[in-house]
Amino acid sequence: AQKITQTQPGMFVQEKEAVTLDCTYDTSDPSYGLFWYKQPSSGEMIFLIYQGSYDQQNATEGRYSLNFQKARKSANLVISASQLGDSAMYFCAMRGTNFGNEKLTFGTGTRLTIIP
Amino acid sequence: EAQVTQNPRYLITVTGKKLTVTCSQNMNHEYMSWYRQDPGLGLRQIYYSMNVEVTDKGDVPEGYKVSRKEKRNFPLILESPSPNQTSLYFCASSSHSAQGAYEQYFGPGTRLTVT
Repeated sequence: AQKITQTQPGMFVQEKEAVTLDCTYDTSDPSYGLFWYKQPSSGEMIFLIYQGSYDQQNATEGRYSLNFQKARKSANLVISASQLGDSAMYFCAMRGTNFGNEKLTFGTGTRLTIIP
Repeated sequence: EAQVTQNPRYLITVTGKKLTVTCSQNMNHEYMSWYRQDPGLGLRQIYYSMNVEVTDKGDVPEGYKVSRKEKRNFPLILESPSPNQTSLYFCASSSHSAQGAYEQYFGPGTRLTVT
C-alpha cells in the first residue's frame, strides 16, 4: 500500500519569500512517480511538477522545484519568490508501478496563504 | 484544446434519486478514473477504467457504478444517492505509463450535495 503524508495543514508566507511544502511517502514499489497539484479556491486540480523515483536530478518547472530525497522518502515542493496567486491548496500525490491502475494516492493537502 | 469535461458542475439532489455525472476527454486516453474529495481526506479513487469495457473498483466504490462504452466517456452513476455521498468529484484521464511519467488530466470537478 502507498501512503502520502503532508504534516502542514496550513501555512502563511510573506509575498516574495520562498516556501517549502513538506511531503513524505511510503511505498514498497521499486519504481514510482511523485506529483504535486495545486487547487485554487475555484476548485480545479492543476498539475505542477513530476519526479520519477529513478530520476537523478530534482525536477524543476519555472518557480517550482521538487526537493527529492529518496533515502528519507521525502518529496518537498519548493516555490521560489512566492506570489499572491500562489495562495491555494497543495496536494502531494504518488503513483506506483501497478500497470493498469494509474491511481494517484493523495495526501491531505496543505493550504498555503500568501500575505501581501 | 486538450481537456476533460464534467457535467453538471454543481448538483443538489435528494436521497434516493438516481443521478449520472458525465465525464468526457478529447485526448484519446486509455485510462480514466473517478475520485472524490472530502475535507481532511484528500482525493480518493472510486473507480477506474483501463480501456473500453474494462472497469474496476478503486478504494471507495460503494454506492457508485461506472461504464465505459466509448473511449472518450466515463460516466459516474449514483443509483440511490445518500447524504454521505455529498462531496466534490473529479474525473481524470491519462495515457498508460511504464513508470508513472504521464500526467493525469483532471476535469473541473462536480460539487454534489445530497439532502
